[in-house]
Amino acid sequence: AQSVTQPDIHITVSEGASLELRCNYSYGATPYLFWYVQSPGQGLQLLLKYFSGDTLVQGIKGFEAEFKRSQSSFNLRKPSVHWSDAAEYFCAVGEYQAGTALIFGKGTTLSVSS
Amino acid sequence: GAVVSQHPSRVICKSGTSVKIECRSLDFQATTMFWYRQFPKQSLMLMATSNEGSKATYEQGVEKDKFLINHASLTLSTLTVTSAHPEDSSFYICSASQGGGNQPQHFGDGTRLSIL
Repeated sequence: AQSVTQPDIHITVSEGASLELRCNYSYGATPYLFWYVQSPGQGLQLLLKYFSGDTLVQGIKGFEAEFKRSQSSFNLRKPSVHWSDAAEYFCAVGEYQAGTALIFGKGTTLSVSS
Repeated sequence: GAVVSQHPSRVICKSGTSVKIECRSLDFQATTMFWYRQFPKQSLMLMATSNEGSKATYEQGVEKDKFLINHASLTLSTLTVTSAHPEDSSFYICSASQGGGNQPQHFGDGTRLSIL
């Protein structure tokens, strides 16, 4: 079955510390992978996406993610977290074509302590 | 960049009322739009796929007579929650893609629906 797993429900990091959010997927076809961020009561903003090419992709706001096919993972990282990064983060997988919906993980809530 | 506008952002209404939510792609045409539902502290669950000029495709367990979807043009899809009840209270989010294999979905800001 197709699915996305985000093992960490809630993570707290200190401001300035590094961050890694985990994402594992199960997908029958070649996956098209995404990370979205959601602030409370808001919609989703795309951080980055990956389909092919360099397995380390850069996104907005200083985020990056690394695709590891052997581990079926697409972990999100940031070297230095800012207080404004506190939000809900969703990993998603879909097909590389228009007209197909995404499958989302349950999300990881990031809290940033000062 | 691609912008998806969703309106209204928040609705509070009485039980039995029908509520319409609009999803517009402002600067691109979207043959397909998607409607998701998100419960508090939960992930997004796909409700239906909205296709311009044809009937929507509903996910298993979603009542098509309860959640009416109309995709009247390449830039507008509407979701109408008919005879809404408190259990329909949720956060509804639409998304659209510009088309082409490398275009990600862009999401609206969501609609918080509260049924009293």
